[in-house]
Amino acid sequence: GQNIDQPTEMTATEGAIVQINCTYQTSGFNGLFWYQQHAGEAPTFLSYNVLDGLEEKGRFSSFLSRSKGYSYLLLKELQMKDSASYLCAVMDSNYQLIWGAGTKLIIKP
Amino acid sequence: GAVVSQHPSRVICKSGTSVKIECRSLDFQATTMFWYRQFPKQSLMLMATSNEGSKATYEQGVEKDKFLINHASLTLSTLTVTSAHPEDSSFYICSARTGVTEAFFGQGTRLTVV
Repeated sequence: GQNIDQPTEMTATEGAIVQINCTYQTSGFNGLFWYQQHAGEAPTFLSYNVLDGLEEKGRFSSFLSRSKGYSYLLLKELQMKDSASYLCAVMDSNYQLIWGAGTKLIIKP
Repeated sequence: GAVVSQHPSRVICKSGTSVKIECRSLDFQATTMFWYRQFPKQSLMLMATSNEGSKATYEQGVEKDKFLINHASLTLSTLTVTSAHPEDSSFYICSARTGVTEAFFGQGTRLTVV
């Protein structure tokens, strides 16, 4: 079966760095997405990785290792507004998105 | 970036009535749109994939007669929840594909059936 695993909840301090991991097992691979979702709102796109390596975009970076079925989202200089759920999703061979359950990130002052 | 507009953002309806949710791609043509449902503190659940001009493809367990999807044009898809019941209360989200990547979501619709 297809499976996406990510931690349920993480806590970090304002100004610090946090890494949210995602491991996946899917039938085929056409890219991995990270989304941010604030409570009661729709997800917003953060990143898309299809090749191995690190993609940096401002305070957020995303890493992919296809051989390990592994990705992480790195958030630097954490701000209170970064408190949200972070969803990992993989596009399979049929170009369908397989979603993780999301990681709730709590930022403390 | 591409903009997807979903309307209404919130709706309250009486049990037994029908509700229509619209999803529009404002600055691009979306050949494929996706409809998701999300329960509190859970991830997105794909309900159906909607292709312009053809019937939607529903995921297993989703009642096609209850959740009517129409994708009449390249910029508009609608989801109609027919004969809504309290258990249909949920957060419904559409998204549209631009090329291979599916990166753009509507704002979501919070449906409450009373």
